[in-house]
Amino acid sequence: GAVVSQHPSWVICKSGTSVKIECRSLDFQATTMFWYRQFPKQSLMLMATSNEGSKATYEQGVEKDKFLINHASLTLSTLTVTSAHPEDSSFYICSASPYRITYNEQFFGPGTRLTVL
Amino acid sequence: QQPVQSPQAVILREGEDAVINCSSSKALYSVHWYRQKHGEAPVFLMILLKGGEQKGHEKISASFNEKKQQSSLYLTASQLSYSGTYFCGTDRGRGNKLVFGAGTILRVKS
Repeated sequence: GAVVSQHPSWVICKSGTSVKIECRSLDFQATTMFWYRQFPKQSLMLMATSNEGSKATYEQGVEKDKFLINHASLTLSTLTVTSAHPEDSSFYICSASPYRITYNEQFFGPGTRLTVL
Repeated sequence: QQPVQSPQAVILREGEDAVINCSSSKALYSVHWYRQKHGEAPVFLMILLKGGEQKGHEKISASFNEKKQQSSLYLTASQLSYSGTYFCGTDRGRGNKLVFGAGTILRVKS
């Protein structure tokens, strides 16, 4: 149980295009989903927290207009990188929690590697 | 504020033990431990809560010193499968966000 999927697993796009990444909780309802960004050999940096049916909460320094997050249902959250540039190339990982207050583990998706040319 | 992990890297032979530490300058509600293999998602290992409650796998043990805001992960009789990068994530109890440390690279050799 507690499986989280991400799609696509990797994507290569041209500079200026937009890319959508999906995160799904397959066997539980996720009241909260988190989006992280990870550069090579670095830690996981939280970008935003999304709760189903409400606006995402972005971390300081993360542009909400560039990284659009939608958590329309209890099993799906999407991250859209708008007008992507090479500096947006990274490993994007989502995680999901079945609890509104996370005193329990977060379940991570397999990640999406984005390369912007 | 990012927790500090030590050591940065460690190499073990199969069967040896290791301890990975995580410390914070802020009061914590819980500490979470994850292991990540290259190119894969982090995998949950353990949660330690303020007050002593723990939740995790049978073969993993850890401690949480609430006064010092420190946690240690104990890996005993290491196996090749233990290799990976270990991250601690700290939660100050404010809206369920985790802040992850820089990671500790563990390599187990046969």
